[in-house]
Amino acid sequence: QKEVEQDPGPLSVPEGAIVSLNCTYSNSAFQYFMWYRQYSRKGPELLMYTYSSGNKEDGRFTAQVDKSSKYISLFIRDSQPSDSATYLCAMTAGGTSYGKLTFGQGTILTVHP
Amino acid sequence: DGGITQSPKYLFRKEGQNVTLSCEQNLNHDAMYWYRQDPGQGLRLIYYSQIVNDFQKGDIAEGYSVSREKKESFPLTVTSAQKNPTAFYLCASSMLEGTLYFGDGTRLSIL
Repeated sequence: QKEVEQDPGPLSVPEGAIVSLNCTYSNSAFQYFMWYRQYSRKGPELLMYTYSSGNKEDGRFTAQVDKSSKYISLFIRDSQPSDSATYLCAMTAGGTSYGKLTFGQGTILTVHP
Repeated sequence: DGGITQSPKYLFRKEGQNVTLSCEQNLNHDAMYWYRQDPGQGLRLIYYSQIVNDFQKGDIAEGYSVSREKKESFPLTVTSAQKNPTAFYLCASSMLEGTLYFGDGTRLSIL
């Protein structure tokens, strides 16, 4: 069983839809949770970052972490065609292991006009 | 512009050949990383370095080697011992407990 599980999709939604992306994990030591967006043939770029449990909002994006359930989510409101990309969840225990991220498989999202 | 530069974008390897992927950063970051991305498997850590002249193995280091002679450079060599080298290779850097910034990758294929 992988440490981080992410539904690879693909996910196809109409413009303006609310998108929900999710990851589950098994390692209770994970404290820092990130969402990266990756466009085709490009490197991942950091979208959202959350420490421990709770919600964080940034414009159309909301990240949620539920450590008791070992479950994290990313919500995209009013989705746009420019949101079409692969979304990767990532997490780490922090401290000296901070940069050793464990990634989910990535979810391919297409937003069609 | 500050950032991470990976070269080349595309690389081809013949059987029995070693190839070296370049990664340079001008962000003055202490730590640098190499990840491998395969379809449907996310990213996996190959090697990382938190200080010049020191580096540690990640989860899939077999068949790879690295060096860190300068703070801004962290080249990765894919040796002939790596039996399945076809993948998208991503270099990243960060401050010691900061978020990772990625380059745009090198796609390696076997001839």
